[in-house]
Amino acid sequence: QQQVKQSPQSLIVQKGGISIINCAYENTAFDYFPWYQQFPGKGPALLIAIRPDVSEKKEGRFTISFNKSAKQFSLHIMDSQPGDSATYFCAASRVRVRGSTLGRLYFGRGTQLTVWP
Amino acid sequence: EAGVVQSPRYKIIEKKQPVAFWCNPISGHNTLYWYLQNLGQGPELLIRYENEEAVDDSQLPKDRFSAERLKGVDSTLKIQPAELGDSAVYLCASSLTQNTEAFFGQGTRLTVV
Repeated sequence: QQQVKQSPQSLIVQKGGISIINCAYENTAFDYFPWYQQFPGKGPALLIAIRPDVSEKKEGRFTISFNKSAKQFSLHIMDSQPGDSATYFCAASRVRVRGSTLGRLYFGRGTQLTVWP
Repeated sequence: EAGVVQSPRYKIIEKKQPVAFWCNPISGHNTLYWYLQNLGQGPELLIRYENEEAVDDSQLPKDRFSAERLKGVDSTLKIQPAELGDSAVYLCASSLTQNTEAFFGQGTRLTVV
């Protein structure tokens, strides 16, 4: 069962536009929600992350919006650039309680973003 | 500071042959992860180490996969024998503790023919 559902599968945006990727989760015990960026042939790299005690986090052109009641979170990329073209993964995990199954990241299936110049 | 280093980058083997992947985590990172990434999918955890102890190996197919992290630093993931369905990218990641962000290596792309 997919713990984190991500959409859309692919996204094409014009340069300067806003890219929006959405994720939903079921496990209310999740308390850490990172977004990873992956370029071809590279490993995923942490882009930005949020904890459920805030509804929004912004770092430069990247913003996470978090809706705890809806169990959804999204990544917004403002002023999208061709260099942002990559695959983006949302993920979720539990980090506050020690245990053998905690600390595991559950990833969405990824969104392939293409930004046209 | 060097990131997570994995080798080899690519490996092509015939089915039923053994294969091993090596990972050197970021210095000082106590937690080490092995993830499997199939084409077009997100990574899935295979095993997680806290120092030299495997604390989460519930997703590791133990009939053919094994891993070790001797001395709590480098780690090796082995498959014996490999099957066609094992073709994927094997990612290693490390974090300072289980409660801090994970950094990924570039992965080893395995092709089983």
